[in-house]
Amino acid sequence: EVQLLESGGGLVQPGGSLRLSCGASGFTFNTYAMSWVRQAPGKGLEWVSGISGSGGNTYYADSVKGRFTISRDNSKNTLYLQMNSLRAEDTAVYYCAKGSRPARPVIRSDFDYWGQGTLVTVSS
Amino acid sequence: DIQMTQSPSSLSASVGDRVTITCRASQGIGNDLGWYQQKPGKAPKRLIYAASSLQSGVPSRFSGSGSGTEFTLTITSLQPEDFATYYCLLHNSYPLTFGGGTKVEIK
Repeated sequence: EVQLLESGGGLVQPGGSLRLSCGASGFTFNTYAMSWVRQAPGKGLEWVSGISGSGGNTYYADSVKGRFTISRDNSKNTLYLQMNSLRAEDTAVYYCAKGSRPARPVIRSDFDYWGQGTLVTVSS
Repeated sequence: DIQMTQSPSSLSASVGDRVTITCRASQGIGNDLGWYQQKPGKAPKRLIYAASSLQSGVPSRFSGSGSGTEFTLTITSLQPEDFATYYCLLHNSYPLTFGGGTKVEIK
């Protein structure tokens, strides 16, 4: 059974940093691209960042480029999102999502499994 | 960037109604589109992939159609558990883009 479990959310002041983790199980982790998707309170879904199965290719939404860094440790089956220079508008539930097709880039496959989400609140 | 327009943003319907939700892309995307259902406080759930393929375990009253620039999610005979928010996802290019969502409410 595929499971994705996010952790690391919490309350942080504007300008601060936070690192999210997503532990994966039930599939061959290094074969699938992974992404982070967020949802601000009462708002829609926004793709934040994606990474290839090997970790060699990373992609970002313009809203987070230069502030967030996605990475993965395939030996630990874990996906990360390092978030720096956080702003109030980054407040959201952050989901990790698994690419649906093996050995495919972040695009060309949608998301077949999602974690339960972790809440990040940026406020003073 | 490719723009996605999802409509309507909300609708009211009764149990047993047929419901249609549309996503339009600003340029052709082939069939690189998925549909998701989200209930309050829960993660999204995939319903349709590759524009028209039904996710395993999803009831057959859900169907997807379209290619290129216009895509449709249809729910035939709406059930009580179908009241939720629905999103399309474009995954043809970067950035991946979600439609704005359609909230399906009880009439």
